[in-house]
Amino acid sequence: IILTQSPGTLSVSPGERVTLSCRASQSVSANLAWYQQKPGQAPRLLIWGAAVRAANVPARFSGSGSGTEFTLTVASLQSEDSALYFCQHYDSRILSFGGGTRVEIK
Amino acid sequence: EVQLMESGGALIQPGGSLRLSCANSGFDFSSSAMTWVRQAPGKGLEWVSSISDDGIKIYYADSVKGRFTISRDNSKNLLYLQMNSLRAEDTAIYYCAKDYDSGWPFFENWGQGSLVTVSS
Repeated sequence: IILTQSPGTLSVSPGERVTLSCRASQSVSANLAWYQQKPGQAPRLLIWGAAVRAANVPARFSGSGSGTEFTLTVASLQSEDSALYFCQHYDSRILSFGGGTRVEIK
Repeated sequence: EVQLMESGGALIQPGGSLRLSCANSGFDFSSSAMTWVRQAPGKGLEWVSSISDDGIKIYYADSVKGRFTISRDNSKNLLYLQMNSLRAEDTAIYYCAKDYDSGWPFFENWGQGSLVTVSS
């Protein structure tokens, strides 16, 4: 299963709403997770089950979608949200990640 | 506190072999499936291999199948990745990760990563 993320890079002002897309080459039901990764750090789980926030993840992060189309939304971007964002499916044990979206702060 | 710590990364020549280890604590390792994920410099995440809690079910990405072997020692809380016939394109930070508590293969807990550089 190939996951395609768009856009590749986003440049956004603090306080703006951000929408990241992840498209699967075939249905993965709701078996999709989102991660945030900052430089020099391991990825951090944000969302699983397409829409369930992981522990200690701020409420400004939300996920939606099912099947082949998924979205990660940051309701009001904060400076600390500057990072790489990856989606990952787990619809089978042959896992895959999307190529990532870089979110930059203007 | 759940902790995962990789070790064994090094500079290795093409065609060489290397074994990574991942030491685990703070959770019931013998009941957790485990996974290796890698990240080439400046690139995205790539799933490498996963192993079930009992070590019986094993899965590999096509890019490493036949060259890499995942294994575990539940008596020592250790996860391994034996890497043979290494290529330049295997250069990456290798992370070990623990399946989520529900048993689904997404990852709340990661190690800090171990750098493998394949170069002559």
